[in-house]
Amino acid sequence: ILNVEQSPQSLHVQEGDSTNFTCSFPSSNFYALHWYRWETAKSPEALFVMTLNGDEKKKGRISATLNTKEGYSYLYIKGSQPEDSATYLCAFGSRDDKIIFGKGTRLHILP
Amino acid sequence: EPEVTQTPSHQVTQMGQEVILRCVPISNHLYFYWYRQILGQKVEFLVSFYNNEISEKSEIFDDQFSVERPDGSNFTLKIRSTKLEDSAMYFCASRTTSHGELFFGEGSRLTVL
Repeated sequence: ILNVEQSPQSLHVQEGDSTNFTCSFPSSNFYALHWYRWETAKSPEALFVMTLNGDEKKKGRISATLNTKEGYSYLYIKGSQPEDSATYLCAFGSRDDKIIFGKGTRLHILP
Repeated sequence: EPEVTQTPSHQVTQMGQEVILRCVPISNHLYFYWYRQILGQKVEFLVSFYNNEISEKSEIFDDQFSVERPDGSNFTLKIRSTKLEDSAMYFCASRTTSHGELFFGEGSRLTVL
C-alpha cells in the first residue's frame, strides 16, 4: 500500500514568520511529487510538480525541495501572510500514473 | 482561465437512491479523475479515465460506482444505490498528460441521509 505522510497535521504560525512542513513518500516507483494549496471552499490548486532528485522550485514566498532517494519533500513559506492560510496537500505520482495524496497540513496564520 | 466545473455543488439524497455527479473538465485535457474526501479524512482516489475507458480504479470504486463520458465534454460519476458512508466531497480533476499537475473542480458535496 502506497503511503504518503505529511507532518505536522496542523500548524499555527504568526504573521511574518517563516515556516516549513514535510511530506514523506515511497522512494520506489517514483515519478513526480506534487504540492497543492487548498483554501476553504475552493478547489485544490497546484503549486509545484517536481520530478528530479534535488529539485528546488519557487513561487513567490513559497518554495519546495525534493529528495527522491530518501523519500521526502519540504515546503517552505517565507514571511507568512494571512492569505497563506490553507491546507497544503502533497501527492505522490507513480510511474504507473497513480496519484496518492497525503492527509495535508492545515496552516493557520495568526495576525 | 479554463477551469474544471462540477455540478451540483451540494446534493442531499436518501440512502438507496441513485446520484449522478457531473464534471466538465478543461477542454484539451485527456486524463480525468474522481477523488473524494470524507470529512476529516484524506483525499482518496476513486477512478481514472483515459481514452474513453477506465484506466485505474481503487477498491472504493465497487460495482455501485460507474463513470461515463457520454458526449465528449461531460464526465459523470454515478452512484447506483447510495449508502450513508458515501457522504463526502467528490472532486473531479483533469490533466493534459499522464504525469502533469491536476486541475480540480470545486467539488460536489454529497450528503446521504
